[in-house]
Amino acid sequence: GAVVSQHPSRVICKSGTSVKIECRSLDFQATTMFWYRQFPKQSLMLMATSNEGSKATYEQGVEKDKFLINHASLTLSTLTVTSAHPEDSSFYICSARRGGGRGANVLTFGAGSRLTVL
Amino acid sequence: AQKITQTQPGMFVQEKEAVTLDCTYDTSDPSYGLFWYKQPSSGEMIFLIYQGSYDQQNATEGRYSLNFQKARKSANLVISASQLGDSAMYFCAMRGVQGAQKLVFGQGTRLTINP
Repeated sequence: GAVVSQHPSRVICKSGTSVKIECRSLDFQATTMFWYRQFPKQSLMLMATSNEGSKATYEQGVEKDKFLINHASLTLSTLTVTSAHPEDSSFYICSARRGGGRGANVLTFGAGSRLTVL
Repeated sequence: AQKITQTQPGMFVQEKEAVTLDCTYDTSDPSYGLFWYKQPSSGEMIFLIYQGSYDQQNATEGRYSLNFQKARKSANLVISASQLGDSAMYFCAMRGVQGAQKLVFGQGTRLTINP
């Protein structure tokens, strides 16, 4: 089945530093990946759509310069939270779609990354 | 715009009973897909079931079935013979044509199975 690996699962950083989160599709190629953010006891909010080989598409209200997305290959997308502040503390989850076939409709999610900014 | 509504913040069910989690949606897209995901305390999102808007029959996957009522714009999840391991957050989500492949999620329902 389709597997998406996300790393790190937990990260604690100091305010003002940058943090990179990786999202990898392990057994399939993903031209498109999605980054979601989830606050405690709330739903998932789409932040941006990561497109392989091109710029990411950000949702309204999401700062491009704050949340840098790079999709350099068909199996890897990275989210970098720049100059992190305590309000950036959240659960970040990536997802990818396996193109074509029966699984084409389903998005597979990574296990998520819990960011805590001190 | 697409919107998903889950009106049950929490549900408590006895083990082995069936449970229905409600989901209503709103979209102007002629074609769309509806999904249910389970999120245990670990945080991972586990895909449960999918229903296409043009599917003639309600989707079923093991103990999960989707009660799709298109005219009422509802896509309720039914879990039969609930188990303790079913305790988790459950999210209904929708993908439309205009939204490419991105999913819009409902607020979620926290299901607790009591022994």
